[in-house]
Amino acid sequence: AQTVTQSQPEMSVQEAETVTLSCTYDTSESNYYLFWYKQPPSRQMILVIRQEAYKQQNATENRFSVNFQKAAKSFSLKISDSQLGDTAMYFCAFSNNNDMRFGAGTRLTVKP
Amino acid sequence: SAVISQKPSRDICQRGTSLTIQCQVDSQVTMMFWYRQQPGQSLTLIATANQGSEATYESGFVIDKFPISRPNLTFSTLTVSNMSPEDSSIYLCSVWADRGPDTQYFGPGTRLTVL
Repeated sequence: AQTVTQSQPEMSVQEAETVTLSCTYDTSESNYYLFWYKQPPSRQMILVIRQEAYKQQNATENRFSVNFQKAAKSFSLKISDSQLGDTAMYFCAFSNNNDMRFGAGTRLTVKP
Repeated sequence: SAVISQKPSRDICQRGTSLTIQCQVDSQVTMMFWYRQQPGQSLTLIATANQGSEATYESGFVIDKFPISRPNLTFSTLTVSNMSPEDSSIYLCSVWADRGPDTQYFGPGTRLTVL
């Protein structure tokens, strides 16, 4: 079974600074997808960024980028120029052809 | 993309009663999922609901407690039966868009409180 581990329950960062959220996963599959979702207090799950396992190039979406290390099964999220609106729970997720599994989440607080 | 709505958005229920949550999608989708998110916790998959077949439940979840219907490609319901305070959670409907597992969308969730 696939497992997703986020070892940082809480993190904080100063506005405009950079922060990195960690995620590791375990799978025996070679073809899968990895995601970072943001969940603000409104509880709506918002897709931040996705990575296909077969792509070596790290995904980037504006201020958000990932460091995907397939051999190490690591998938960290870097948020640059942090903004107050980035304050939320962040979930790392793994998806294959069956379903999606989530890590425990990291609560990120951006401080003014 | 897929836009998902859920009804009700929240409810407060008495112990021993049942609540049915509706999930409506603005496009036809094959794969639908129901998740539970207990307070301060991550999302846990309850079951996968494909149209035309019985729902597949994850370990720890049973059909008698969480019956699911999937009558067509745009709609599903999840019933939380014989509720107890431990069922107080957010219940989220989720779907794969046409591209499959690389694109998963979530509904806004239903916040359930059981007294």
